Amino acid sequence: DTGVSQNPRHKITKRGQNVTFRCDPISEHNRLYWYRQTLGQGPEFLTYFQNEAQLEKSRLLSDRFSAERPKGSFSTLEIQRTEQGDSAMYLCASSGDRPGRLEKLFFGSGTQLSVL
Amino acid sequence: KQEVTQIPAALSVPEGENLVLNCSFTDSAIYNLQWFRQDPGKGLTSLLLIQSSQREQTSGRLNASLDKSSGRSTLYIAASQPGDSATYLCAVFSGNTPLVFGKGTRLSVIA
Repeated sequence: DTGVSQNPRHKITKRGQNVTFRCDPISEHNRLYWYRQTLGQGPEFLTYFQNEAQLEKSRLLSDRFSAERPKGSFSTLEIQRTEQGDSAMYLCASSGDRPGRLEKLFFGSGTQLSVL
Repeated sequence: KQEVTQIPAALSVPEGENLVLNCSFTDSAIYNLQWFRQDPGKGLTSLLLIQSSQREQTSGRLNASLDKSSGRSTLYIAASQPGDSATYLCAVFSGNTPLVFGKGTRLSVIA
């Protein structure tokens, strides 16, 4: 069990550029989540996948955001035409799946995005 | 809409003291509640998960309780140590949106 891995750890970009983050969940976990966290706040839900299916998207996820999990393993989160308000820590988490229950979530270390 | 509130926002205690962190939620129809620890600039580590049918969970010096009907949970830390300094986050799962978080309590344990 190598844990949830996120890359890159830090990303600095200029406003208007596109960025892509990657998340590798724990191998046997079929649920994968993306959250966003700003300073002094708790994480806010963005979207989640059950295997390769994206089951829910928050209203926070504007049209500039897109997430994929093509083979039900790793996931990518892309932000197009970045804005300064996108600056935040982007957290990925994974969990197992039992009917009717949410298992314990395991988080990665996050990707800190700074938009200049 | 589920809302989670954590009090206090920050807490500073001397080493060795027992302490209690509070979490309240507005919709009592939850499936479970989790407590997380977050170190500065890092991801979250799950500490304890309490299913809605449970009243408490213990792990080492940590004890979390759940009173679902009143919408409250507490995290009790016994014999605090400087290494316990971190932000502690409470999160609830209500079945509609995966995990709603509070803003956390920033704990400092002074040696």
